[in-house]
Amino acid sequence: AQSVTQPDIHITVSEGASLELRCNYSYGATPYLFWYVQSPGQGLQLLLKYFSGDTLVQGIKGFEAEFKRSQSSFNLRKPSVHWSDAAEYFCAVGATVSGGYNKLIFGAGTRLAVHP
Amino acid sequence: GAVVSQHPSWVICKSGTSVKIECRSLDFQATTMFWYRQFPKQSLMLMATSNEGSKATYEQGVEKDKFLINHASLTLSTLTVTSAHPEDSSFYICSARDQGYSSYNEQFFGPGTRLTVL
Repeated sequence: AQSVTQPDIHITVSEGASLELRCNYSYGATPYLFWYVQSPGQGLQLLLKYFSGDTLVQGIKGFEAEFKRSQSSFNLRKPSVHWSDAAEYFCAVGATVSGGYNKLIFGAGTRLAVHP
Repeated sequence: GAVVSQHPSWVICKSGTSVKIECRSLDFQATTMFWYRQFPKQSLMLMATSNEGSKATYEQGVEKDKFLINHASLTLSTLTVTSAHPEDSSFYICSARDQGYSSYNEQFFGPGTRLTVL
């Protein structure tokens, strides 16, 4: 069955430090992979997505992610974190299920705190 | 582009009453809309997928008679929580997929609706 694992429930970094959020997926075919960010009480905003091609994907707000098929991973990175990056981050895989329709399967999320 | 709105943004109701939440795609046509539920500090759980003009497909464990979904047009889907109880209190988020968008699986999310049942 398709699944997404985000091993880190909570991460704290200092402002200006680098960041890496881990995501591992389980999916039989070529995955569609996404990273979303959610601020408290808000909906989800797409940071970046991977469908095919270049395995290093650039997104908004200075984020990037690298797809590694051999490791079934799609880790999110940012070289220098800003205080405004504090939020919940969700990794998701797009899966085609029976009946032909597709849906997103989300990981549990990683809550990022940023220290000044 | 690709904006999804939800109304209301928050609602408080008494136990036993019904509540309707609207999800609208403002600048695109959405053949498919999704309804998620999110408990505090938890991930999004897909409740159901609705396709315009047809019955919704519910995820396992979701009561279709309790969570009524209607997708009457390409820009509007509604979720009605019938006979709401305190355990239905949650954050409900909808998303929509643009039928004309090339990214097959990409969904655009609404801002969510906070439901509190007293």
